[in-house]
Amino acid sequence: DAKTTQPNSMESNEEEPVHLPCNHSTISGTDYIHWYRQLPSQGPEYVIHGLTSNVNNRMASLAIAEDRKSSTLILHRATLRDAAVYYCILGTNAGGTSYGKLTFGQGTILTVHP
Amino acid sequence: NAGVTQTPKFRILKIGQSMTLQCTQDMNHNYMYWYRQDPGMGLKLIYYSVGAGITDKGEVPNGYNVSRSTTEDFPLRLELAAPSQTSVYFCASRLRVGADTQYFGPGTRLTVL
Repeated sequence: DAKTTQPNSMESNEEEPVHLPCNHSTISGTDYIHWYRQLPSQGPEYVIHGLTSNVNNRMASLAIAEDRKSSTLILHRATLRDAAVYYCILGTNAGGTSYGKLTFGQGTILTVHP
Repeated sequence: NAGVTQTPKFRILKIGQSMTLQCTQDMNHNYMYWYRQDPGMGLKLIYYSVGAGITDKGEVPNGYNVSRSTTEDFPLRLELAAPSQTSVYFCASRLRVGADTQYFGPGTRLTVL
């Protein structure tokens, strides 16, 4: 499976934008880029995903580099509730032996200061 | 929809005991997964299933067994519990792979003493 690299931790102030980077230099052409987050004592929850183009939803934006070797999750106005571990994951397609499993790294711990 | 539900929320086992962690989803998803998460670490895949009657091993299957007799249920069985199985267990499901979202349950915190 292609691997991702994220900073161990980042800090932000409330109501400021946050840019969480992810490197995935060995990404294959069919890998989707997924972002999940895990709030304390909860299961992971989906944030956003994309393939080639930048994506926006109500939670965040995903900026994907033109060569797809890196991406950035953007939280436009961080709140205290956004404090969580953020995982950047490459989603494998069906077929072969992967069956769509998500391979979690250690993620980025985001701390939001009031 | 309730989504993905897991029972129990917490459990303490003695070494050598057995138990079944229950997982149910009401979204008619074909794919289901069991992960474990050790303190300060990411999730590791234990077993997965692509439909009723079809299961396969993930990264860390030793000491566990699964079955998938229905689309909705995907129980995880621990035989002869060991302290190394102390972890938080998450069940997840998704409709299809690739673009689709994976939905996670709230987790079962298991301690083996």
